[in-house]
Amino acid sequence: NAGVMQNPRHLVRRRGQEARLRCSPMKGHSHVYWYRQLPEEGLKFMVYLQKENIIDESGMPKERFSAEFPKEGPSILRIQQVVRGDSAAYFCASSPLTVDTEAFFGQGTRLTVV
Amino acid sequence: AQRVTQPEKLLSVFKGAPVELKCNYSYSGSPELFWYVQYSRQRLQLLLRHISRESIKGFTADLNKGETSFHLKKPFAQEEDSAMYYCALRTGTYKYIFGTGTRLKVLA
Repeated sequence: NAGVMQNPRHLVRRRGQEARLRCSPMKGHSHVYWYRQLPEEGLKFMVYLQKENIIDESGMPKERFSAEFPKEGPSILRIQQVVRGDSAAYFCASSPLTVDTEAFFGQGTRLTVV
Repeated sequence: AQRVTQPEKLLSVFKGAPVELKCNYSYSGSPELFWYVQYSRQRLQLLLRHISRESIKGFTADLNKGETSFHLKKPFAQEEDSAMYYCALRTGTYKYIFGTGTRLKVLA
């Protein structure tokens, strides 16, 4: 089991472009979470998804940000028309649908908007 | 409201000194609590969870439901303990809520 895989590890976008961040959960995990970590700050919850469903998107900005977790393929976090303030590390985590289990994290995607 | 509070953004201690990283939570249900650690430029990894009551790398944490706390402790800090520490709460709907983290610096 390769663990939670995120790609790309580093992404540079110009202001106004779109950023697509991918997350492949661990095998057998049906829950995916996205978190944002701004420089010198802690993790902020963005969205929680199960296959084909958004369970909780209370941490997602209302505009420009969207997330999906299709039946096949990785989860995608999409940021349209990026601005400098979107520069951050974006972490994905996954967990199975069982009790007493922690969330497993990917190594993150570091987005830089220039 | 579901919330995890880590009041200290930065904690500096000398090598060999005791460490206590504070964590308080707010949750109406039965909490599942975790401590995660993030070493420099690495992914977050689980340090320990309250349900297993184990000690990892000399760290322990006890769930105090009366004080709604889950403080992380270590009797003698080591330089390699320097990292970012996050307390996390898992809700009944499998959502993980993290505190803002405490950066621990262990000074030689």
